Amino acid sequence: DIVMTQSPFSLAVSEGEMVTINCKSSQSLLSSGNQKNYLAWYQQKPGQSPKLLIYYASTRQSGVPDRFIGSGSGTDFTLTISDVQAEDLADYYCLQHYSYPTFGAGTKLELK
Amino acid sequence: EVQLVESGGGLVQPGRSMKLSCAASGFTFSNYGMAWVRQAPTKGLEWVATISYDGSSTYYRDSVKGRFTISRDNAKSTLYLQMNSLRSEDTATYYCTRDIPPFDYWGQGVMVTVSS
Repeated sequence: DIVMTQSPFSLAVSEGEMVTINCKSSQSLLSSGNQKNYLAWYQQKPGQSPKLLIYYASTRQSGVPDRFIGSGSGTDFTLTISDVQAEDLADYYCLQHYSYPTFGAGTKLELK
Repeated sequence: EVQLVESGGGLVQPGRSMKLSCAASGFTFSNYGMAWVRQAPTKGLEWVATISYDGSSTYYRDSVKGRFTISRDNAKSTLYLQMNSLRSEDTATYYCTRDIPPFDYWGQGVMVTVSS
């Protein structure tokens, strides 16, 4: 199984700040066939279902604000949230779907 | 509007069975692979099983292989998860999700509690 190591576990921020969340996979998620990285990011607010933010490492899902930016390739990936808003406070998860899907442990984004 | 509505959860004793359903609407169900993802109380997300668009291929995480069966009825636009020999560690909210791009739409989830 591919292991996803996500960091940090939690993050306290003020509105307007920029934050980065990292995910490292135990093997490359880059497909040689189509040059796509099989890495996605999700946001889960308390009491709600997860919401897809980013797929193929950097493609923003329709309707997701452009302050959410996914980057990285191979084994190292980052979700950057610029100008954090109060509505962004949530848990964030990375997911690899290169093989049987595995999620990172999650990052809790809290207000400072 | 894509909608996924799970049902069938509740309290069940260890060793017993339960069947979850997910009614899909707002898209052509038979064109999409589907999956179940679960989340134990206060824990992270865990993929459970996936089924191809036509039901010909199924995939499971090791801990549920041989106990859970994912299936679908394309005529009814419904996804199922048959869970047998349930264990306390299966206690979780179970989400139905569409698979491509990975898990792009999710249901509201249904709680399954395995306890005596």
